[in-house]
Amino acid sequence: SYVVTQPPSVSVAPGQTARITCGGHNIGHKGVHWYQQKPGQAPVLVVYDDTARPSGIPERFSGSSSGNTATLTISRVEAGDEADYYCQVCDSDNDHLVFGPGTKVTVL
Amino acid sequence: EEQMVESGGGLVHPGGSLRISCAASGISVKSNYFSWVRQAPGKGLDWVSDVYIGSRIDYADSVKGRFTVSRHKSNNTLFLQMTSLRNEDTAVYYCARRRIGVDRAFYIDLWGRGSLVTVSA
Repeated sequence: SYVVTQPPSVSVAPGQTARITCGGHNIGHKGVHWYQQKPGQAPVLVVYDDTARPSGIPERFSGSSSGNTATLTISRVEAGDEADYYCQVCDSDNDHLVFGPGTKVTVL
Repeated sequence: EEQMVESGGGLVHPGGSLRISCAASGISVKSNYFSWVRQAPGKGLDWVSDVYIGSRIDYADSVKGRFTVSRHKSNNTLFLQMTSLRNEDTAVYYCARRRIGVDRAFYIDLWGRGSLVTVSA
């Protein structure tokens, strides 16, 4: 089955840029989706199909993907962006959802 | 407003059974794809099951043979029947709507609030 990796944590100062990576074999050939989850809440989709943003998600959230790495970029980070972020792809053999282990973003 | 609301979680002994309901409003359980995803305390997201339009339902190996998903079209509700529960099944269980992205890359665009299942003696 397909495996994706993420760094456990990323720290960033307010107003700076946070970059969260998602690694996997040829992940650039797969659709990558990103979710934000705050404590005690359900996840929220912030980027889908590598780069698309659902309505209501600020333009500060952007995605990219190439080769073996996909990246979620959060520009002009705010205190409210502090959360766990998960990447997700589909196993091409069976369409099953595959989640990364998650990255905790801390705003300093 | 589109939403999904789970209910039916609780405390159950190892080996016991429990059923979670997921009531959908603003969307049809008959004509959408759904998934069940769980999250153990302090852990990440873990895929449990995919429900397709039609009869196909897939399960993670960790729950296959123990969990069964069904769809009640007349009252627009999904069910997750869990049997032979183990301590490691303790988690918040989310029902969620799945969308098809580019190149059949499914993703979740609508999550329920989740229902906590605790398996403990």
